[in-house]
Amino acid sequence: EVQLVESGGGLVQPGRSLKVACVASGFTFSNYDMAWVRQVPTKGLEWIASISTGGDYTYYRDSVKGRFTISRDNAKNTQYLQMDSLRSEDTATYYCARQRVYYGLSYFDYWGQGVMVTVSS
Amino acid sequence: DIQMTQSPASLSASLGETVSIECVASGGISNDLAWYQQKSGKSPQVLIYDANILQDGVPSRFSGDGSGTRYSLKISGLQPEDEADYFCQQSYKYPPTFGAGTKLELK
Repeated sequence: EVQLVESGGGLVQPGRSLKVACVASGFTFSNYDMAWVRQVPTKGLEWIASISTGGDYTYYRDSVKGRFTISRDNAKNTQYLQMDSLRSEDTATYYCARQRVYYGLSYFDYWGQGVMVTVSS
Repeated sequence: DIQMTQSPASLSASLGETVSIECVASGGISNDLAWYQQKSGKSPQVLIYDANILQDGVPSRFSGDGSGTRYSLKISGLQPEDEADYFCQQSYKYPPTFGAGTKLELK
């Protein structure tokens, strides 16, 4: 059974940093691209970043580029999202997602339970 | 970025009814579209990818259609467990973008 378990969320002051992690199980982690998607309470979904199987390629949405860093450790079946210079608008539930690539298109076929990040003074 | 305009924002329907949700992309997305269901307090789950391919384990009452810029999700014979939010997502161009969602309530 595929499982993605996030950890590391919490309350952080604006301008500070936070690192969230996602431990994967039930599949060969190193064979899949991975991603982070966030959701503001009662609002829609927003893709944040993706990382290739070996970690060589990373992609970010413009609003987090230069502030967030996605990484992975295939030996530990874990991906990370390092969030620096946090802003109030980064407050959201952050989901770890497995990104499946199918003939050029990609979609998120498994999601974690989500971790809440609140940026507030 | 490609904008995904999803409609309606909400709808209410009865058990057994058939409903449709539409997503219109701001540019052609060549069927690179997925649909997700998110139940209250849960994480999203994929229903359909490549516009019309049913994800393993998803009931056949869910179906997807469309081409170019217009895509739809149809739910035939509504069941109580279908009450949820539904989102579309394009992956034709980075960044992947989602529709704003449709809240489906059962009468």
